[in-house]
Amino acid sequence: RKEVEQDPGPFNVPEGATVAFNCTYSNSASQSFFWYRQDCRKEPKLLMSVYSSGNEDGRFTAQLNRASQYISLLIRDSKLSDSATYLCVVNKSGTYKYIFGTGTRLKVLA
Amino acid sequence: SQTIHQWPATLVQPVGSPLSLECTVEGTSNPNLYWYRQAAGRGLQLLFYSVGIGQISSEVPQNLSASRPQDRQFILSSKKLLLSDSGFYLCAWRTSGVYNEQFFGPGTRLTVL
Repeated sequence: RKEVEQDPGPFNVPEGATVAFNCTYSNSASQSFFWYRQDCRKEPKLLMSVYSSGNEDGRFTAQLNRASQYISLLIRDSKLSDSATYLCVVNKSGTYKYIFGTGTRLKVLA
Repeated sequence: SQTIHQWPATLVQPVGSPLSLECTVEGTSNPNLYWYRQAAGRGLQLLFYSVGIGQISSEVPQNLSASRPQDRQFILSSKKLLLSDSGFYLCAWRTSGVYNEQFFGPGTRLTVL
């Protein structure tokens, strides 16, 4: 089993739709969680750190479920510019290692 | 604010040739630095990690090596490139604090022919 698993997609959604991605992790000692956005042929860019209590930044909401070992990303009112690959990342506290999922592709259609 | 630079942006090299990729960070001191590789359609693979000058941890034994000659400089090298070394090479640094977020440089796209 992979340490971090994501549905590769693609998720094709119309503009204005709400879309949600889940990411599961296998190591219960994982402590820090992140969502990154990666555009084609570009570097990953930090979208959100995922706090234990969940957090929201504009149209984006991230949630953490430690009991079920998954994190989620919700995008409301999707824009064409949201089209990208979304990477789930986990880090075990006290370690240097970050485990990246292979990403979920989102295509927002006009 | 912190900035991370990588060069070159793209590189085409023949099999068997040497490689040197450079990464520098501005606006922070004693950063933790990383080298990753992303093969086409694949996830990020951690290659090397460094906590300070001359301190390198290797994650994947292969024909690549890394060095950290200065606090904010991280270099990825190879003496002889293989076809399988093709990929997108990313340097990253991480913040110190509760969440230890990572930030990436613009990357170097390497094609080995």
